[in-house]
Amino acid sequence: SQQGEEDPQALSIQEGENATMNCSYKTSINNLQWYRQNSGRGLVHLILIRSNEREKHSGRLRVTLDTSKKSSSLLITASRAADTASYFCATVSNTGNQFYFGTGTSLTVIP
Amino acid sequence: DTAVSQTPKYLVTQMGNDKSIKCEQNLGHDTMYWYKQDSKKFLKIMFSYNNKELIINETVPNRFSPKSPDKAHLNLHINSLELGDSAVYFCASSQVGRAFGNTIYFGEGSWLTVV
Repeated sequence: SQQGEEDPQALSIQEGENATMNCSYKTSINNLQWYRQNSGRGLVHLILIRSNEREKHSGRLRVTLDTSKKSSSLLITASRAADTASYFCATVSNTGNQFYFGTGTSLTVIP
Repeated sequence: DTAVSQTPKYLVTQMGNDKSIKCEQNLGHDTMYWYKQDSKKFLKIMFSYNNKELIINETVPNRFSPKSPDKAHLNLHINSLELGDSAVYFCASSQVGRAFGNTIYFGEGSWLTVV
């Protein structure tokens, strides 16, 4: 299967703490992306990291990529209750038009 | 203004029925997808079309038939619905190339319940 796997499956933290989610994948990739899904909604793109990049920042988000280990992590700093959602990593094929999603991490931020 | 829109949002139907879910995108993308999300939130690709041509067809029962009348539309027809088909079905689109940032845009999902 080309699906990725994320851990933990569920994460519960206090507001203000940092949240770290990990993603492992199996195939070679063009890039890796992280998406967020609020309850009852579709997925929304958060951040993209290319296969030749090791780290990327966007606001309170920090993504790392280790292609030798086929893994990525998403760090959300200074979490807020509004960050409560499910987070998915997606690997993108070298053709650029095949997206395979991980199993997701359900994040709960307690006010 | 919705980028990817799919209808209906909720669908409750009996086993054995045939149903369709429609999807339209106004982003000018060439590639459209159908994903299935189960109760554990596992998101699995079902089909992918590029410029009306099928490019991905994962292991999906042939009761599921996608139809793309043009590159802005990708409809999903399901015959002889079974209880196990109950899930959320997401339509999505993307465009390869730097100008589009190579990300995928999702619709809001169609909640299918088979009783």
